[in-house]
Amino acid sequence: QKEVEQNSGPLSVPEGAIASLNCTYSDRGSQSFFWYRQYSGKSPELIMSIYSNGDKEDGRFTAQLNKASQYVSLLIRDSQPSDSATYLCAVKDSSASKIIFGSGTRLSIRP
Amino acid sequence: GAVVSQHPSRVICKSGTSVKIECRSLDFQATTMFWYRQFPKQSLMLMATSNEGSKATYEQGVEKDKFLINHASLTLSTLTVTSAHPEDSSFYICSAPKLAGALDTQYFGPGTRLTVL
Repeated sequence: QKEVEQNSGPLSVPEGAIASLNCTYSDRGSQSFFWYRQYSGKSPELIMSIYSNGDKEDGRFTAQLNKASQYVSLLIRDSQPSDSATYLCAVKDSSASKIIFGSGTRLSIRP
Repeated sequence: GAVVSQHPSRVICKSGTSVKIECRSLDFQATTMFWYRQFPKQSLMLMATSNEGSKATYEQGVEKDKFLINHASLTLSTLTVTSAHPEDSSFYICSAPKLAGALDTQYFGPGTRLTVL
């Protein structure tokens, strides 16, 4: 059974600080990795995709990938109250077209 | 802008009726689409993979006769919840992979909230 593991949280971070979200996965052959944000009652929204080892930055978001350690992370700089949501780590199954999701980390940015 | 649409966004029906949900890819073709279900405060659960021109692939524990999937064109997949019961009340979300070069990214529709009375 291929799995994606995330700490469910809640993770509470003060406004303006860096929020760090982590994820590990079991499918060693995976090549595509994603972070989605989901607000309560809404569908997931893609924030970042990453395919190569190292860092990928997009605005206040940085995704980090380490395939040797099977580890993906998401950093959110200058956290805003609007960043409060559940963040889903997702990994593309190496033997199928589907994506495997973690259960999500609930992030709360306190003013 | 949105790349995947769903219709309806919300539906309330009586127990025993069937409900059809449509999922469309808006500016790209999708030979595969995915249907998820999410109960309150729970994680996404993949129900099935919809394959254009062939049968859907259902995840373990999902009743294929209850959740009928039809992927009749490269931009449209439908999920029909047959003989719906209150326990089928949930948030149903579809997704479709959009190719960029050799890599694809999953985009989600806005979801359909089903309430069965």
